[in-house]
Amino acid sequence: DGGITQSPKYLFRKEGQNVTLSCEQNLNHDAMYWYRQDPGQGLRLIYYSQIVNDFQKGDIAEGYSVSREKKESFPLTVTSAQKNPTAFYLCASSFEGEGNQPQHFGDGTRLSIL
Amino acid sequence: AQKVTQAQTEISVVEKEDVTLDCVYETRDTTYYLFWYKQPPSGELVFLIRRNSFDEQNEISGRYSWNFQKSTSSFNFTITASQVVDSAVYFCALSAWNSGGYQKVTFGTGTKLQVIP
Repeated sequence: DGGITQSPKYLFRKEGQNVTLSCEQNLNHDAMYWYRQDPGQGLRLIYYSQIVNDFQKGDIAEGYSVSREKKESFPLTVTSAQKNPTAFYLCASSFEGEGNQPQHFGDGTRLSIL
Repeated sequence: AQKVTQAQTEISVVEKEDVTLDCVYETRDTTYYLFWYKQPPSGELVFLIRRNSFDEQNEISGRYSWNFQKSTSSFNFTITASQVVDSAVYFCALSAWNSGGYQKVTFGTGTKLQVIP
């Protein structure tokens, strides 16, 4: 079945450590997104990518980095510069172009600080 | 600037009751899309409906119905005869193309619905 796979489901980060969250999709979607979800704050956009080898900062990109080397993959690295990384991270993808297609979401990764 | 307001943080209803989740939005764009997503305890957001700004027809899908009113900038979601499986967090979202040429989606803060058996 087509879908979005995020891994791991749970992740723990030590002080000063970078961690990478995986996101893979087999929906042949052009665009991919990373969101952060905190209690009571809805979803906030971290980074997005419309095509391979191109990505743009969202509303809260500081302390995060991404890459888009393949259409299917959009990993997110939470760097040590992100001082408050504890949150639920959701990856999404959609077709590009006019029409504002709905985004499809993965199951999420819950990141906590050790 | 885009904004989506879901004023109801949490709602509890008894099974079989009807419940309406409110969504009010703000945008300067004349062309935009509105969405509802469901987030069950498993975490992933499940797409429920998309409505564009030129289509104000209400929609019904089984026990779900949506009331879009541009005059009041609202896109409310009603669940009829609620069931325990409807318990989830529901997000309303607004999408429009921004100056950078991508689909900017603004989510509301969500409404947690608890259906009590």
